[in-house]
Amino acid sequence: GAGVSQSPRYKVAKRGQDVALRCDPISGHVSLFWYQQALGQGPEFLTYFQNEAQLDKSGLPSDRFFAERPEGSVSTLKIQRTQQEDSAVYLCASRGRGDYYGYTFGSGTRLTVV
Amino acid sequence: KQEVTQIPAALSVPEGENLVLNCSFTDSAIYNLQWFRQDPGKGLTSLLLIQSSQREQTSGRLNASLDKSSGRSTLYIAASQPGDSATYLCAVSRFQAGTALIFGKGTTLSVSS
Repeated sequence: GAGVSQSPRYKVAKRGQDVALRCDPISGHVSLFWYQQALGQGPEFLTYFQNEAQLDKSGLPSDRFFAERPEGSVSTLKIQRTQQEDSAVYLCASRGRGDYYGYTFGSGTRLTVV
Repeated sequence: KQEVTQIPAALSVPEGENLVLNCSFTDSAIYNLQWFRQDPGKGLTSLLLIQSSQREQTSGRLNASLDKSSGRSTLYIAASQPGDSATYLCAVSRFQAGTALIFGKGTTLSVSS
């Protein structure tokens, strides 16, 4: 597609529920990133994929967070046993080859844990 | 550890004013710097990307400068319009290409007509 697509746009989860957030990057983009943005804050890095390889997961806040990109295109961020502090907007970004191009972000998934 | 600071946190101006948003970063070993715009409830829209070897980039009424040695960037908006109202985020990329962006908390701009 023309841009980075994320689904769902909004997700309300009961505390303790598992959730899965999907990201469809721009076709052919090798790099894919997940960020978490709390209210009033800038986005914070969670994890990075190059093709299907997860090269950096240093930003994942706990082992309840898991991300995958099995075929090097679509990625899923899974949060197990959600807690209230997980409430945030989860942003996905992709980046093309070459040093010149910047990042293209999706519209995000707003997760609210009640 | 790289830290990005944006000043001011919020800014209100009347339509037509020229304005400057500031961004500073603590580690000058950056790969590039990018300015984004974020509208309420929306994702990020890239405005300008400056490579570490560049001093400035321009797009329409926007001009971004980069002084890597002093750890500063500015975003200049000329002749502001109500449609410019949004949060502006500055982000730096670590030295190695393809690694994560580190963001400031943003400047929320309100332009009144």
